[in-house]
Order: sequence, then C-alpha cells, then structure tokens
Amino acid sequence: EDKVVQSPLSLVVHEGDTVTLNCSYEVTNFRSLLWYKQEKKAPTFLFMLTSSGIEKKSGRLSSILDKKELFSILNITATQTGDSAVYLCALHSGAGSYQLTFGKGTKLSVIP
Amino acid sequence: EAQVTQNPRYLITVTGKKLTVTCSQNMNHEYMSWYRQDPGLGLRQIYYSMNVEVTDKGDVPEGYKVSRKEKRNFPLILESPSPNQTSLYFCASSLSRFTANTGELFFGEGSRLTVL
Repeated sequence: EDKVVQSPLSLVVHEGDTVTLNCSYEVTNFRSLLWYKQEKKAPTFLFMLTSSGIEKKSGRLSSILDKKELFSILNITATQTGDSAVYLCALHSGAGSYQLTFGKGTKLSVIP
Repeated sequence: EAQVTQNPRYLITVTGKKLTVTCSQNMNHEYMSWYRQDPGLGLRQIYYSMNVEVTDKGDVPEGYKVSRKEKRNFPLILESPSPNQTSLYFCASSLSRFTANTGELFFGEGSRLTVL
C-alpha cells in the first residue's frame, strides 16, 4: 500500500491558470515532506516542509503542510508553459532513516 | 560546476551480462544514493551511503550491489542483469546525512538501462 499518494495523476491547464497539486500520506511521525520538479531530466528540489500551517513560497510556487489532515498542497499561480513537468512529493520518515519515499507524481501540462 | 555525473546515460544490454553504472559528484558530499524510476511506480531507493565504506539497503536492493571506496564515487553494479531491471536510474548526493535527512538531494541526469 502506497504511503505517499499524489493527485491528480495528470493535469492539463492553460497558461495563466492557477493549479493545486495534492499529496496525502499515511505516516504520522515523519521528519519532512518535500516537493520536487522533474522535467525531462533529473528531479530538482523545490520545497521542504516540516511544520504544519507554515507556507513556503518561491515566486509563483507555494506549498503548505497540514499535519493534522495528513496532506500537503503545491500551488502554482499564473502558470507558464515552462511549468510543464512531473511534480513529485516525497516523505522523509524520521530519525534513523535516510530514505525518501516518493509518490508517483503529478504530470502537469500547461498549454498556450 | 557542481554536479552529479552518471555514466553511461543510455545502455542496452542482455540478460546476465554484468554491468556497472558509475556515479561521481564533485561537491565533496558525504551522502549518496541510487534510485530507479519506473512508470506507475515513481522513484524507489535502491541503496544509499552515508560516507566512505558505509552503505545500506533502500527499498528495492535485490539484484544490485554498490561500493563506496572513495567519497566522490558510488557505482551501481548489476552482477547478472534481468529484464525487470530495465529502468531509469538516478544517482543523488547530499552534503551530509543531515541534509539528506531534509531531502536536499542533487540528482544526476539519469541512466536509461534496457536489459533484453
């Protein structure tokens, strides 16, 4: 059973739209939740979230974690074609573990 | 330029023919890791290393070996490849086990391996 579930699996939007990507998880005791962007090559780090309710922001991207409801969202405002990518959510389980558990990703396609 | 370099980037091989995928980083990172990425399954960790001569299994270690004789290199060895090891492989590194804990990983460009 998947520990990290992302939704939707894919999404097509028009430039300028705002999108919300979801990541839910089962583990209640964890160290951090991370978001990565993967274009055609390697994943690149976007955000690390450790505390509930504190928004992380970088330009048009923002993310927040809800530890009570066990989910995180990644928001992208005023989308551009360059935002087209697979967005990966990953969970770092906790002390003594150096493993990241990734979700299957959300494929975002932004069309002009 | 700070980077994680994998070789080969593309390889087609046959069942049973031993192969090694090399990974090298020039950032003096302590932590290195290998992942495989398959459609519908996402990224799964194969092995990781917290420092020289320290390696440990990830989620899917079967059929793979690794070694960490030097800090900069972390090769992935497939002693007897099988078709179910056809995948896209990523090497990643992080400054220390502490930053690895926070998931601040630097990924290589990936190696696409096909086993016939």
